[in-house]
Amino acid sequence: NAGVTQTPKFQVLKTGQSMTLQCAQDMNHEYMSWYRQDPGMGLRLIHYSVGAGITDQGEVPNGYNVSRSTTEDFPLRLLSAAPSQTSVYFCASRGTSGAIYEQYFGPGTRLTVT
Amino acid sequence: SQKIEQNSEALNIQEGKTATLTCNYTNYSPAYLQWYRQDPGRGPVFLLLIRENEKEKRKERLKVTFDTTLKQSLFHITASQPADSATYLCAPSGGNSGNTPLVFGKGTRLSVIA
Repeated sequence: NAGVTQTPKFQVLKTGQSMTLQCAQDMNHEYMSWYRQDPGMGLRLIHYSVGAGITDQGEVPNGYNVSRSTTEDFPLRLLSAAPSQTSVYFCASRGTSGAIYEQYFGPGTRLTVT
Repeated sequence: SQKIEQNSEALNIQEGKTATLTCNYTNYSPAYLQWYRQDPGRGPVFLLLIRENEKEKRKERLKVTFDTTLKQSLFHITASQPADSATYLCAPSGGNSGNTPLVFGKGTRLSVIA
């Protein structure tokens, strides 16, 4: 099991550019989510999905789009990058049945927008 | 609105002592609460989950309590070691199902000094 994988590990964008952060999991988890982590702000939820075809907004969704066409993949799209989106992005997944809802995180993508 | 407070941004303790970290929450009633560990440059890793009907949960040198009246969880590491140095995050659940988004406190950075 690779767990949760994220690509790329690092990315530098210019203001206004677009890009997609990739996230995949091989644990057959229904639930997937994206967080951003900034110094002093902790982990903040961007978007989440409870299954293929279903997505919902988290705490800080503006400027980000998501889709969930398969159980395995949950890409995060930045349509027009802004310096305020400079952050470390984490993808996470977990199962939705059973007694323990342990969340598994990917290694993160460090994004800089200049 | 829901609020999660981890009372110390940073905590320094001597090796061998017990570290106690606090997590307080307001404006909701979580069915369970999770604790995670995060090392620099890495994603958070699940440690323990405690349910609202459990007062205490233990795992090796870790102990978690959950007081739903005080709206507080305490996280203890006994016989602390320098390898326990990390940031610890609490995450009270928003509901009782695996579909509920997980929201995190800002974390407490623990440093165990040899």
